[in-house]
Amino acid sequence: DAGVIQSPRHEVTEMGQEVTLRCKPISGHDYLFWYRQTMMRGLELLIYFNNNVPIDDSGMPEDRFSAKMPNASFSTLKIQPSEPRDSAVYFCASSPTTRYGYTFGSGTRLTVV
Amino acid sequence: KQEVTQIPAALSVPEGENLVLNCSFTDSAIYNLQWFRQDPGKGLTSLLLIQSSQREQTSGRLNASLDKSSGRSTLYIAASQPGDSATYLCAVRGSMYNNNDMRFGAGTRLTVKP
Repeated sequence: DAGVIQSPRHEVTEMGQEVTLRCKPISGHDYLFWYRQTMMRGLELLIYFNNNVPIDDSGMPEDRFSAKMPNASFSTLKIQPSEPRDSAVYFCASSPTTRYGYTFGSGTRLTVV
Repeated sequence: KQEVTQIPAALSVPEGENLVLNCSFTDSAIYNLQWFRQDPGKGLTSLLLIQSSQREQTSGRLNASLDKSSGRSTLYIAASQPGDSATYLCAVRGSMYNNNDMRFGAGTRLTVKP
């Protein structure tokens, strides 16, 4: 398996623009997680899905953020409108079941200017 | 809410030294604990996964222990090398009663000097 695949690797956008981050989990993994990493706050869980259903979105910072998982092989994290404080590295991770650990993607480095 | 703490925040050692990284967590209702390595500007690489029923896991020069009742884990690195320089993150996965997700510590930044 190619692992967890995220795109794009880097994204630079202007404030106010819509940003869409993409993730393809490992086939057969029932859980998908979105994390954000910053120097100040470390790794923060934004939302996670189980069998394509959002289970906990309490980490989503505000209504500007939304996430979807239309099928088992694809998820998106959307920010609209984007703000400079959204600049961070966004990671996607997947896991087969609760007994297994996470596999992380390489991340998307987002810069909002 | 699960809180994960890693001590020290940074550590610098000479090459060849054995070292221990510490991780503590507040809620013992966990499925497992995972140690990751992160190189600057890179993603997270899984090092070791310990299930809640296990006491330790070993991989090469790495040994991780888990004491669930006291909420502690250690990562032991033997005969450290400059290539071990990275940030090491500890993460615990909660049980269904503690949100089935993984909470991370802030990490320990390790520098191994040649």
